[in-house]
Amino acid sequence: DAKTTQPNSMESNEEEPVHLPCNHSTISGTDYIHWYRQLPSQGPEYVIHGLTSNVNNRMASLAIAEDRKSSTLILHRATLRDAAVYYCILRSGGSNYKLTFGKGTLLTVNP
Amino acid sequence: NAGVTQTPKFQVLKTGQSMTLQCAQDMNHNSMYWYRQDPGMGLRLIYYSASEGTTDKGEVPNGYNVSRLNKREFSLRLESAAPSQTSVYFCASSDQGGGMNTEAFFGQGTRLTVV
Repeated sequence: DAKTTQPNSMESNEEEPVHLPCNHSTISGTDYIHWYRQLPSQGPEYVIHGLTSNVNNRMASLAIAEDRKSSTLILHRATLRDAAVYYCILRSGGSNYKLTFGKGTLLTVNP
Repeated sequence: NAGVTQTPKFQVLKTGQSMTLQCAQDMNHNSMYWYRQDPGMGLRLIYYSASEGTTDKGEVPNGYNVSRLNKREFSLRLESAAPSQTSVYFCASSDQGGGMNTEAFFGQGTRLTVV
């Protein structure tokens, strides 16, 4: 499985935008980029995913580099409830839906 | 919506005891997964079932067995628990990819301590 690299931790202030980076230099053409987050004492939850184009949903935006070797998850206005570990994951576009988690980025949001 | 339900939520076992962790999903998903998460670590895949009737090993399958009982249920069994299996266990389910690449849904976890 292709690997991703994320910073161990990041800090943000409430109401400010947050840009969480992810490097995936060995991504293959059929790999989708998924983001999940894990709130304290909970299971992971889906945030967003994309293949080539930038994506927006009610939770976040995903900006994908033109060469697809990196991506950025954007939280437009961080709230205290966004404090979590954020995982950037590559998933093959085939029928086998394996999700391989790294250590993720611990996001701290300051009031 | 129930989503993915795991039982029990907490369990303490003695070394050598056996137990089965239960997982059920009500979203008609084809694929189901078992992960473990050790303190300060990401999730590691133990076993997965791409569809009913099939199971495959993940990264850390040793010491575990699984059963895909039907489309809804996927159980994880520890035959002889060891302290190294102390962890939080998460079950997940999703539709198969097939190019659509949908999201996975996770349960709330089972916190297992082996003493």
